[in-house]
Amino acid sequence: GAGVSQSPRYKVTKRGQDVALRCDPISGHVSLYWYRQALGQGPEFLTYFNYEAQQDKSGLPNDRFSAERPEGSISTLTIQRTEQRDSAMYRCASSLGSGGIETQYFGPGTRLLVL
Amino acid sequence: KNQVEQSPQSLIILEGKNCTLQCNYTVSPFSNLRWYKQDTGRGPVSLTIMTFSENTKSNGRYTATLDADTKQSSLHITASQLSDSASYICVVSSQYDYKLSFGAGTTVTVRA
Repeated sequence: GAGVSQSPRYKVTKRGQDVALRCDPISGHVSLYWYRQALGQGPEFLTYFNYEAQQDKSGLPNDRFSAERPEGSISTLTIQRTEQRDSAMYRCASSLGSGGIETQYFGPGTRLLVL
Repeated sequence: KNQVEQSPQSLIILEGKNCTLQCNYTVSPFSNLRWYKQDTGRGPVSLTIMTFSENTKSNGRYTATLDADTKQSSLHITASQLSDSASYICVVSSQYDYKLSFGAGTTVTVRA
């Protein structure tokens, strides 16, 4: 079936605006992860959902970042009052089950540019 | 400090040649190690996954090795093709932990 999809693919916003990034995981995947990837670096963990429960948000850099997955499927990562340092590629991944052994399937990412 | 270090940062090889990428990690306790391939502008795609008890795993022309004692892994690409040009990322998971530790990746460029 279809892989992980994310929207928008590109987002340009002005400093101080709020943005919402959407992730559609693979159908039936229990776990969903958000990562942030700087240019030339590997992804950095932000938060993790098991079904609709946000199990870990320790990677969120500050309280301007929040995420939800209200029905255990689609997830939204929201950044309030964006700052230029928020500019990065934001990637979503999903896995069939939970736990470290599960293969995570990554989406194409949303490239965010804050001017 | 990043718990997964990869080398080299980048390399260029001629089509048909072999190359080996290195990954050293300090993640503990160790659960598994994966190699991902990331094409430019795309999300990472899993190539191999190895647990503590496995020391080699192949996927076509890609062969990964793991030495859990020295906490080192390598990814060997045989008979490289132009389509192998990508970033190769080493990812380590600790036991009972869904949070993956990513290396910065090695950028491989294959030239005709």
